Amino acid sequence: DGGITQSPKYLFRKEGQNVTLSCEQNLNHDAMYWYRQDPGQGLRLIYYSQIVNDFQKGDIAEGYSVSREKKESFPLTVTSAQKNPTAFYLCASSIIGQGNTEAFFGQGTRLTVV
Amino acid sequence: KQEVTQIPAALSVPEGENLVLNCSFTDSAIYNLQWFRQDPGKGLTSLLLIQSSQREQTSGRLNASLDKSSGRSTLYIAASQPGDSATYLCAVRPAGNNRKLIWGLGTSLAVNP
Repeated sequence: DGGITQSPKYLFRKEGQNVTLSCEQNLNHDAMYWYRQDPGQGLRLIYYSQIVNDFQKGDIAEGYSVSREKKESFPLTVTSAQKNPTAFYLCASSIIGQGNTEAFFGQGTRLTVV
Repeated sequence: KQEVTQIPAALSVPEGENLVLNCSFTDSAIYNLQWFRQDPGKGLTSLLLIQSSQREQTSGRLNASLDKSSGRSTLYIAASQPGDSATYLCAVRPAGNNRKLIWGLGTSLAVNP
């Protein structure tokens, strides 16, 4: 089945620890995105990538880092510099274009600071 | 600056009703508008995408329309079922900046048996 796979589904982070969220897609999409979702707020873009070995900051990139070494993979690292990391994280992908750039999402990772 | 608003924020209806969810946007220069569904604790499921040159799209009991000139889209759900209960989100992809979707806050729908 084609789609986007995020893992793990739940993740717990201790204070001062870095954690990495996985996102893999087999849709052959060039563009990949990471969003953060908090209760009562809209989706906020963290980072996005349109091509391997290139990525751009979104609206809330501070305290996060990404890599795009393969077209299929776009892992997100939540660093200790992110002071309020507890949230639901969503990965998405799409083709690059103008009209039919339908975005597809994974099932999300819920990160909790303990 | 593009802004997306969804009204109402929450809606509760009895099973079987036809209903309309609204999405408005402030800048008509868009490539497309997409409707999503999100169940609690889950990811987003794409429902319908309407390109800027299109007026509507249909999938089963769902029909989405787009009126760019007035900055509005509606998602029509026919013969609602309890399984339709979820949050519905709309997002626009602005023209000239097709990397970043602009999101509404969603409409939380409850369909009561």
